[in-house]
Amino acid sequence: QQQVRQSPQSLTVWEGETAILNCSYEDSTFNYFPWYQQFPGEGPALLISIRSVSDKKEDGRFTIFFNKREKKLSLHITDSQPGDSATYFCAASSNNRIFFGDGTQLVVKP
Amino acid sequence: AQTIHQWPVAEIKAVGSPLSLGCTIKGKSSPNLYWYWQATGGTLQQLFYSITVGQVESVVQLNLSASRPKDDQFILSTEKLLLSHSGFYLCASIRDRAYEQYFGPGTRLTVL
Repeated sequence: QQQVRQSPQSLTVWEGETAILNCSYEDSTFNYFPWYQQFPGEGPALLISIRSVSDKKEDGRFTIFFNKREKKLSLHITDSQPGDSATYFCAASSNNRIFFGDGTQLVVKP
Repeated sequence: AQTIHQWPVAEIKAVGSPLSLGCTIKGKSSPNLYWYWQATGGTLQQLFYSITVGQVESVVQLNLSASRPKDDQFILSTEKLLLSHSGFYLCASIRDRAYEQYFGPGTRLTVL
């Protein structure tokens, strides 16, 4: 059973629009949810994260909205830029375990 | 700041040949270290993790093994490569906050 699911698999937006990337998880014991950004040929880099005690985390143009009851979260990228084009991984963690979703490939067109 | 170095950058190997990939980390003592495998366009699959020298826990086998010979070194290896081993191998550590994975630049492996 896949622990973390992401949708859509791929997303294309125009420069300046808001991109919304969705994520859901299975295990209610997960208490930490990081998002990673990966450019082709590079290792993923931590972008932003949220703990299960919060419902929102904002960092510049990136915002996580978290719904513990529904076990869902989303990453909003406002004023999307072509440089944001990358694959975004949602992850869920508790204790010493971490599980990654399959990723959303974002393309921002100028 | 901690830095992760992986070697080689890329490798092309024949099916059935042996493999050894390396990872070293600087700037952090007694780090937790992880090996991940990523198929092209795929998700990150955690393979092994190590909390201390000489101790390695397997998460998914995939006919690979790992060793932690030094505090700052993590090695991934196999005696016989399979076609399915092709992909991107990433070494990772944890940053100051628990569960914030910090990834190395990766090794691209192609098995022919």
